[in-house]
Amino acid sequence: DAMVIQNPRYQVTQFGKPVTLSCSQTLNHNVMYWYQQKSSQAPKLLFHYYDKDFNNEADTPDNFQSRRPNTSFCFLDIRSPGLGDAAMYLCATSRDPAGTQFFGPGTRLTVL
Amino acid sequence: GENVEQHPSTLSVQEGDSAVIKCTYSDSASNYFPWYKQELGKRPQLIIDIRSNVGEKKDQRIAVTLNKTAKHFSLHITETQPEDSAVYFCAAKRNTGFQKLVFGTGTRLLVSP
Repeated sequence: DAMVIQNPRYQVTQFGKPVTLSCSQTLNHNVMYWYQQKSSQAPKLLFHYYDKDFNNEADTPDNFQSRRPNTSFCFLDIRSPGLGDAAMYLCATSRDPAGTQFFGPGTRLTVL
Repeated sequence: GENVEQHPSTLSVQEGDSAVIKCTYSDSASNYFPWYKQELGKRPQLIIDIRSNVGEKKDQRIAVTLNKTAKHFSLHITETQPEDSAVYFCAAKRNTGFQKLVFGTGTRLLVSP
Protein backbone atom coordinates (compact mmCIF):
# COMPACT_ATOMS: atom_id res chain seq x y z
CA ASP A 1 0.00 0.00 0.00
CA ALA A 2 2.92 2.32 0.62
CA MET A 3 2.99 4.92 -2.13
CA VAL A 4 6.02 7.02 -1.19
CA ILE A 5 8.74 5.05 0.55
CA GLN A 6 11.80 6.42 2.20
CA ASN A 7 14.85 4.52 3.36
CA PRO A 8 16.28 4.41 5.86
CA ARG A 9 13.79 5.79 8.36
CA TYR A 10 16.59 6.72 10.73
CA GLN A 11 20.12 7.57 9.70
CA VAL A 12 23.04 8.40 11.93
CA THR A 13 26.17 9.82 10.39
CA GLN A 14 29.31 11.52 11.58
CA PHE A 15 30.18 15.14 11.01
CA GLY A 16 31.57 15.44 7.48
CA LYS A 17 30.77 11.86 6.43
CA PRO A 18 28.72 11.72 3.22
CA VAL A 19 25.26 10.26 3.47
CA THR A 20 22.59 9.31 0.93
CA LEU A 21 18.87 9.14 1.59
CA SER A 22 16.55 7.41 -0.81
CA CYS A 23 12.95 7.82 -1.89
CA SER A 24 10.85 5.63 -4.15
CA GLN A 25 7.27 5.94 -5.34
CA THR A 26 4.70 3.61 -6.83
CA LEU A 27 2.40 6.41 -8.02
CA ASN A 28 4.22 7.04 -11.32
CA HIS A 29 4.19 10.73 -10.48
CA ASN A 30 6.22 13.08 -12.62
CA VAL A 31 7.38 15.40 -9.86
CA MET A 32 9.48 14.44 -6.84
CA TYR A 33 10.46 16.84 -4.08
CA TRP A 34 12.91 16.88 -1.19
CA TYR A 35 12.08 18.86 1.90
CA GLN A 36 14.02 19.48 5.09
CA GLN A 37 12.00 19.80 8.28
CA LYS A 38 13.48 20.87 11.58
CA SER A 39 11.72 20.51 14.89
CA SER A 40 8.56 22.62 15.24
CA GLN A 41 9.01 24.15 11.79
CA ALA A 42 7.27 23.81 8.47
CA PRO A 43 8.87 21.71 5.73
CA LYS A 44 11.40 23.67 3.67
CA LEU A 45 11.75 22.81 -0.01
CA LEU A 46 15.31 21.96 -1.03
CA PHE A 47 14.75 21.00 -4.68
CA HIS A 48 12.46 19.13 -7.00
CA TYR A 49 12.57 17.11 -10.19
CA TYR A 50 9.95 17.49 -12.89
CA ASP A 51 10.66 14.37 -14.91
CA LYS A 52 14.41 14.68 -15.43
CA ASP A 53 14.54 18.44 -15.02
CA PHE A 54 16.24 19.38 -11.76
CA ASN A 55 15.27 22.57 -9.97
CA ASN A 56 17.23 23.87 -7.02
CA GLU A 57 15.84 26.36 -4.52
CA ALA A 58 18.03 29.46 -4.37
CA ASP A 59 18.82 29.02 -0.68
CA THR A 60 19.61 25.29 -0.77
CA PRO A 61 23.24 24.82 0.32
CA ASP A 62 25.70 23.39 -2.20
CA ASN A 63 26.28 20.59 0.29
CA PHE A 64 22.97 19.08 -0.83
CA GLN A 65 22.68 17.29 -4.14
CA SER A 66 20.05 15.08 -5.70
CA ARG A 67 19.77 12.38 -8.32
CA ARG A 68 16.77 10.90 -10.06
CA PRO A 69 17.90 7.90 -12.10
CA ASN A 70 14.35 6.95 -13.14
CA THR A 71 10.73 7.89 -12.53
CA SER A 72 10.44 5.82 -9.37
CA PHE A 73 13.57 6.74 -7.45
CA CYS A 74 15.12 9.92 -6.14
CA PHE A 75 18.16 10.32 -3.90
CA LEU A 76 19.34 13.06 -1.60
CA ASP A 77 23.11 13.25 -1.13
CA ILE A 78 24.60 15.31 1.66
CA ARG A 79 28.27 15.62 0.84
CA SER A 80 29.62 16.85 4.17
CA PRO A 81 26.93 16.84 6.84
CA GLY A 82 27.21 19.44 9.54
CA LEU A 83 25.47 19.52 12.91
CA GLY A 84 22.97 21.96 11.44
CA ASP A 85 21.86 19.40 8.87
CA ALA A 86 20.29 17.19 11.52
CA ALA A 87 16.61 17.17 10.61
CA MET A 88 13.76 15.14 9.17
CA TYR A 89 14.08 14.81 5.40
CA LEU A 90 10.79 14.38 3.60
CA CYS A 91 10.29 13.20 0.07
CA ALA A 92 7.05 14.11 -1.69
CA THR A 93 5.55 13.46 -5.10
CA SER A 94 2.85 14.95 -7.28
CA ARG A 95 1.42 13.92 -10.63
CA ASP A 96 2.34 17.28 -12.10
CA PRO A 97 3.46 20.67 -10.71
CA ALA A 98 -0.15 21.64 -10.01
CA GLY A 99 -1.05 18.36 -8.37
CA THR A 100 -1.49 17.46 -4.74
CA GLN A 101 1.74 16.60 -2.99
CA PHE A 102 1.94 13.31 -1.11
CA PHE A 103 4.65 12.90 1.47
CA GLY A 104 6.75 9.90 2.40
CA PRO A 105 7.32 8.95 6.05
CA GLY A 106 10.62 10.81 6.21
CA THR A 107 14.17 9.97 7.22
CA ARG A 108 15.37 11.37 10.51
CA LEU A 109 19.04 12.28 10.17
CA THR A 110 21.28 12.56 13.20
CA VAL A 111 24.76 14.04 12.83
CA LEU A 112 27.25 13.20 15.57
CA GLY B 1 6.94 35.92 -3.35
CA GLU B 2 4.17 34.29 -1.41
CA ASN B 3 4.05 34.60 2.38
CA VAL B 4 1.63 32.64 4.54
CA GLU B 5 0.83 33.54 8.13
CA GLN B 6 -0.92 31.07 10.42
CA HIS B 7 -2.66 31.58 13.75
CA PRO B 8 -2.78 30.53 16.48
CA SER B 9 0.53 28.75 17.02
CA THR B 10 -1.03 26.56 19.71
CA LEU B 11 -4.66 25.71 20.36
CA SER B 12 -6.02 23.70 23.26
CA VAL B 13 -9.64 22.53 23.24
CA GLN B 14 -11.79 20.06 25.12
CA GLU B 15 -12.99 16.96 23.33
CA GLY B 16 -16.18 17.73 21.48
CA ASP B 17 -15.43 21.42 21.03
CA SER B 18 -14.74 23.03 17.66
CA ALA B 19 -11.32 24.23 16.58
CA VAL B 20 -10.56 26.94 14.04
CA ILE B 21 -7.16 27.68 12.52
CA LYS B 22 -6.68 30.72 10.31
CA CYS B 23 -4.20 31.53 7.57
CA THR B 24 -3.60 34.62 5.49
CA TYR B 25 -1.60 34.78 2.28
CA SER B 26 0.00 37.62 0.37
CA ASP B 27 -0.03 36.56 -3.30
CA SER B 28 -3.42 37.31 -4.82
CA ALA B 29 -2.57 34.92 -7.67
CA SER B 30 -2.42 31.92 -5.31
CA ASN B 31 -5.25 29.56 -6.13
CA TYR B 32 -4.57 26.29 -4.32
CA PHE B 33 -4.77 25.93 -0.54
CA PRO B 34 -4.11 22.55 1.10
CA TRP B 35 -4.11 21.67 4.78
CA TYR B 36 -1.76 19.05 6.17
CA LYS B 37 -1.94 17.25 9.51
CA GLN B 38 1.32 16.03 11.01
CA GLU B 39 1.39 13.80 14.04
CA LEU B 40 4.57 13.61 16.06
CA GLY B 41 7.33 11.89 14.12
CA LYS B 42 5.09 11.18 11.13
CA ARG B 43 4.60 12.49 7.64
CA PRO B 44 2.43 15.49 6.79
CA GLN B 45 -0.87 14.11 5.55
CA LEU B 46 -3.24 16.04 3.34
CA ILE B 47 -6.58 16.33 5.09
CA ILE B 48 -8.42 18.77 2.85
CA ASP B 49 -7.69 21.27 0.12
CA ILE B 50 -9.54 24.03 -1.66
CA ARG B 51 -9.08 25.78 -4.96
CA SER B 52 -9.89 29.39 -5.63
CA ASN B 53 -13.08 28.74 -7.56
CA VAL B 54 -14.69 27.33 -4.42
CA GLY B 55 -15.56 29.24 -1.23
CA GLU B 56 -16.06 26.32 1.11
CA LYS B 57 -15.38 22.61 1.15
CA LYS B 58 -16.43 20.06 3.74
CA ASP B 59 -15.39 16.51 4.52
CA GLN B 60 -17.18 15.01 7.52
CA ARG B 61 -15.92 16.92 10.59
CA ILE B 62 -13.45 19.03 8.64
CA ALA B 63 -14.20 22.10 6.56
CA VAL B 64 -12.15 24.77 4.89
CA THR B 65 -13.37 28.23 3.93
CA LEU B 66 -11.69 30.65 1.55
CA ASN B 67 -12.11 34.40 1.29
CA LYS B 68 -10.20 35.51 -1.79
CA THR B 69 -10.97 39.17 -1.30
CA ALA B 70 -9.46 39.19 2.16
CA LYS B 71 -6.82 36.62 1.19
CA HIS B 72 -7.50 34.30 4.06
CA PHE B 73 -8.61 30.74 4.53
CA SER B 74 -9.53 28.76 7.60
CA LEU B 75 -9.70 25.17 8.79
CA HIS B 76 -12.67 24.20 10.94
CA ILE B 77 -12.76 20.97 12.90
CA THR B 78 -16.02 20.13 14.66
CA GLU B 79 -16.59 17.60 17.43
CA THR B 80 -12.88 17.34 18.09
CA GLN B 81 -11.43 14.06 19.30
CA PRO B 82 -8.11 13.31 21.05
CA GLU B 83 -6.81 11.76 17.81
CA ASP B 84 -7.15 15.17 16.17
CA SER B 85 -4.19 16.29 18.30
CA ALA B 86 -1.35 17.12 15.90
CA VAL B 87 0.38 20.00 14.15
CA TYR B 88 -1.64 21.45 11.30
CA PHE B 89 0.01 23.31 8.42
CA CYS B 90 -1.78 25.46 5.90
CA ALA B 91 -0.14 26.16 2.56
CA ALA B 92 -0.72 28.21 -0.56
CA LYS B 93 0.54 28.17 -4.12
CA ARG B 94 -0.17 29.31 -7.63
CA ASN B 95 -0.94 26.49 -9.99
CA THR B 96 0.71 28.04 -13.02
CA GLY B 97 4.02 26.61 -14.13
CA PHE B 98 6.02 25.47 -11.14
CA GLN B 99 5.38 27.49 -8.01
CA LYS B 100 6.43 26.00 -4.73
CA LEU B 101 4.04 25.23 -1.94
CA VAL B 102 4.48 27.90 0.74
CA PHE B 103 3.63 26.64 4.21
CA GLY B 104 2.36 28.48 7.23
CA THR B 105 4.25 28.14 10.49
CA GLY B 106 1.95 25.46 11.88
CA THR B 107 -0.61 25.19 14.68
CA ARG B 108 -0.19 22.67 17.46
CA LEU B 109 -3.69 21.43 18.34
CA LEU B 110 -4.20 19.64 21.62
CA VAL B 111 -7.55 17.99 22.27
CA SER B 112 -8.04 17.00 25.89
CA PRO B 113 -10.40 14.17 26.80
